[in-house]
Order: sequence, then C-alpha cells, then structure tokens
Amino acid sequence: DARVTQTPRDKVTEMGQEVTMRCQPILGHNTVFWYRQTMMQGLELLAYFRNRAPLDDSGMPKDRFSAEMPDATLATLKIQPSEPRDSAVYFCASGLSSRAYNEQFFGPGTRLTVL
Amino acid sequence: AQSVAQPEDQVNVAEGNPLTVKCTYSVSGNPYLFWYVQYPNRGLQFLLKYITGDNLVKGSYGFEAEFNKSQTSFHLKKPSALVSDSALYFCAVRGQISSGSARQLTFGSGTQLTVLP
Repeated sequence: DARVTQTPRDKVTEMGQEVTMRCQPILGHNTVFWYRQTMMQGLELLAYFRNRAPLDDSGMPKDRFSAEMPDATLATLKIQPSEPRDSAVYFCASGLSSRAYNEQFFGPGTRLTVL
Repeated sequence: AQSVAQPEDQVNVAEGNPLTVKCTYSVSGNPYLFWYVQYPNRGLQFLLKYITGDNLVKGSYGFEAEFNKSQTSFHLKKPSALVSDSALYFCAVRGQISSGSARQLTFGSGTQLTVLP
C-alpha cells in the first residue's frame, strides 16, 4: 500500500529556531506539493516540484521558507527562523504529471507549533 | 483565475438520511473537479473526480457527485449517511487548459460534515 510519508508528525519549537520537515513521495510519482493548513486560511499551496525541479513557490514566504528535493525520494521544507505565525499543519502530496486530472496523494502532515 | 466556493462551513445530517455538500467553481474553459475528505489528524484522501462524459460520478465509500455545467456546480452526495462519514470535505478544481498558477489544484475552504446518530 503505497503512501506518502512525512516526518516528524509533530514538532514544537521556539521562535527563532530552524525547522525542517521531510517528505517521501510515493515511488514513481514525479510531482510533489507542499501545502499549509490553518483554521484561518484553509489549505494553501506553498510550493510545487516536477521531476525535482521547483515550478511554483509563489505561495511561500521567501525570506524564511525554502523547499528542495535533494533526490526523487525526498522533499524538504525548511523554515529559518520560525515564527509563531508559522504554526500550522504542513502537508506534502505527490502525484503523476502525465495527466492534468491525476489526483494528488497526501501525507499525514506535520503539525508545527512555534512558541 | 480559478476558484472554488463551498458555501456551507458546516452540514449536519441524521444517520440514514441523504446528504449533500455543495460546491461551485469558476475556471476558464472546461474543468477537472475533485472531492477530497479529511478525517481528524489525517491528510486529505481522494474521493472522486470529474473528467468528462457522464455528469454523475461515483467514488469511494458510496459517495457520488453531480457535475452541472450550466450552474458551475459539483455537489457531493450520498443516499444514506453514516456516522463514520463525519469529516471535513474539500472540493477542488483545475482547468483543462491552464497555465501558470492555474496548473495547480485550487481547493475550497472545506465543509465540516457531521452525521448525527
């Protein structure tokens, strides 16, 4: 049963600290998405990769957030320095870009709390 | 720009009764439409999608959705609700011919469905 995995599942940190979230997409998927979910803003797209290349990160605060795909099996989202307003659930999703109607498969999320 | 509206934040229905979760969309050209469900402390799970053809789409767990082009709607339905259907439901849209940010899915704000025993 192929699944998207994310680590850590929960992270509590103090303001100013660096936070790194990791995602392992489903093997064979060539697109990876990072989303942030909050009560106020709902589900927001932060970044999107295809074949490991970043295609769209317009939803991401550039001054403190960065997203990378070091290889096809790992995507990372880093926040440095973290702020209380970054507290949210961060989801990674993967899919196939061969068809525009292919669905995305979501991981379980990382719940980030910045104190 | 493409957009999705889910006009109801909360829908309550009694177990055994039919349920409807509403969704309307705006997109250039023809749409691809999706429904996802999110259970507490879980990621979103794909339920069903409309690509083309038959306006009634059947998906997982007995859910179905009806595409109505003239009303630009894609309402989620189930003939008989279960308590276990209680969850957060998201509608999403993507244009068939799209560029830039419209290549991505645009999600609605979500509707919390509560099925009462």
